[in-house]
Amino acid sequence: DQQVKQNSPSLSVQEGRISILNCDYTNSMFDYFLWYKKYPAEGPTFLISISSIKDKNEDGRFTVFLNKSAKHLSLHIVPSQPGDSAVYFCAASETGGTSYGKLTFGQGTILTVHP
Amino acid sequence: KAGVTQTPRYLIKTRGQQVTLSCSPISGHRSVSWYQQTPGQGLQFLFEYFSETQRNKGNFPGRFSGRQFSNSRSEMNVSTLELGDSALYLCASSVDGGGVRNTEAFFGQGTRLTVV
Repeated sequence: DQQVKQNSPSLSVQEGRISILNCDYTNSMFDYFLWYKKYPAEGPTFLISISSIKDKNEDGRFTVFLNKSAKHLSLHIVPSQPGDSAVYFCAASETGGTSYGKLTFGQGTILTVHP
Repeated sequence: KAGVTQTPRYLIKTRGQQVTLSCSPISGHRSVSWYQQTPGQGLQFLFEYFSETQRNKGNFPGRFSGRQFSNSRSEMNVSTLELGDSALYLCASSVDGGGVRNTEAFFGQGTRLTVV
C-alpha cells in the first residue's frame, strides 16, 4: 500500500520555465509534508516543507502548494535552472502519535532542466 | 554547523557476514532515523531512536538492529547479510522526530553497502 505517490517518473523542462512536480497521498493522518532533492549515491537534501494548517509555503524559487481535500501537493520551481536537475522526493509524516521519526516517501520524479 | 555524518561511505561485505554503520547527527538533534534505499523499493523506514530508546520500527526482519548512545550518535547493525541487503543506507536527524511538533529531517550522505 503506497501511501505517498508521485505518478510522474520524469519531467523535462527548459531553463527559465516553471517546473511543477506533483504528489498525492492517501493517509489522512499525515500533517506535515516535505520535498527533498537527491543526486545519485548521495543523501536527500531538504528543500521546503508545509504544515497541513497551511495551503502554501514559499522559499525563494521554490513554492509548495497543499490541497488537503484532494490529498495533493505540488512543488513549483520558478525559474528552473540546469542545476535543479535531480530526483525530487515528496515525503509525509504524522506529528505526535507513535510515528516517531518516520517519513513516508514517494517513488521520486527525475527532473531534467535543459539549457 | 556540521551536518549529518555517516561512516563509512562505501562497504563491501560477503553473504553471511555482519556489518555496523555509524551516524553522527546534527548537534542538538536527539532523533535519528535510518532508511534503506533500493531501486525497487525506494526509501524505506527502518527505525528511529530518541534519547537512546527505539521509539518506532519499520517492517524489516530482526537481522536489522540499531542503537543510540548518550551523545545521540547512532549505529545500525545488519547480521547474516543477504544479497538483497545491498542498498544505500541513510540516516536522518531531527530535533525530536516529530514527537511534539513538525520538524524537518536532515540526511547524511549515506553508506553504500554491497553484499557479494
